[in-house]
Amino acid sequence: EDQVTQSPEALRLQEGESSSLNCSYTVSGLRGLFWYRQDPGKGPEFLFTLYSAGEEKEKERLKATLTKKESFLHITAPKPEDSATYLCAVFAGGTSYGKLTFGQGTILTVHP
Amino acid sequence: NAGVTQTPKFQVLKTGQSMTLQCAQDMNHEYMSWYRQDPGMGLRLIHYSVGAGITDQGEVPNGYNVSRSTTEDFPLRLLSAAPSQTSVYFCASGFEGNTEAFFGQGTRLTVV
Repeated sequence: EDQVTQSPEALRLQEGESSSLNCSYTVSGLRGLFWYRQDPGKGPEFLFTLYSAGEEKEKERLKATLTKKESFLHITAPKPEDSATYLCAVFAGGTSYGKLTFGQGTILTVHP
Repeated sequence: NAGVTQTPKFQVLKTGQSMTLQCAQDMNHEYMSWYRQDPGMGLRLIHYSVGAGITDQGEVPNGYNVSRSTTEDFPLRLLSAAPSQTSVYFCASGFEGNTEAFFGQGTRLTVV
């Protein structure tokens, strides 16, 4: 069974204080790992897709990396507007083909 | 191009009533899926479809039915609503490989 675990559950940062969110996964035949941002009362908003170990992608203050067992979302010099819940999900092949399996999310709060 | 459209945005049902949550996408995506999101539980997959005429169960399918007669539409039917189905429901769609799944804005359902 595919499993995705995110840590920490909640993270409070001061503006400008860089940190990382972790997403550990157990799947057979990973086809893609996704990061989403979710604001209160809204649907998840796509950020990145990573396909293979060693891959990195960046967008503004966010950088996502992938290894064979986990992914990190690095936040550099965050701003209050980066406050949101960050979700990680995996898309696998085999009997899981077609499904996205999500972690429980990390609630990020950035204080000015 | 409206993306993924869910209706209604809010709904209150009485126990035992049935209803259909609507989901439509105009991006010609093959993949569509339904999730429910509960506090502390993350996003859990209810049903998904890899193309018109093809559906499969996700993690929490009991009490829900789906059909996919067209590429654009993927309605979710609650057969006999129960208080345990009180949740926020999200519909998502994506291309082959779900390389970038797009989410609707959600339907907040309360069953009393």
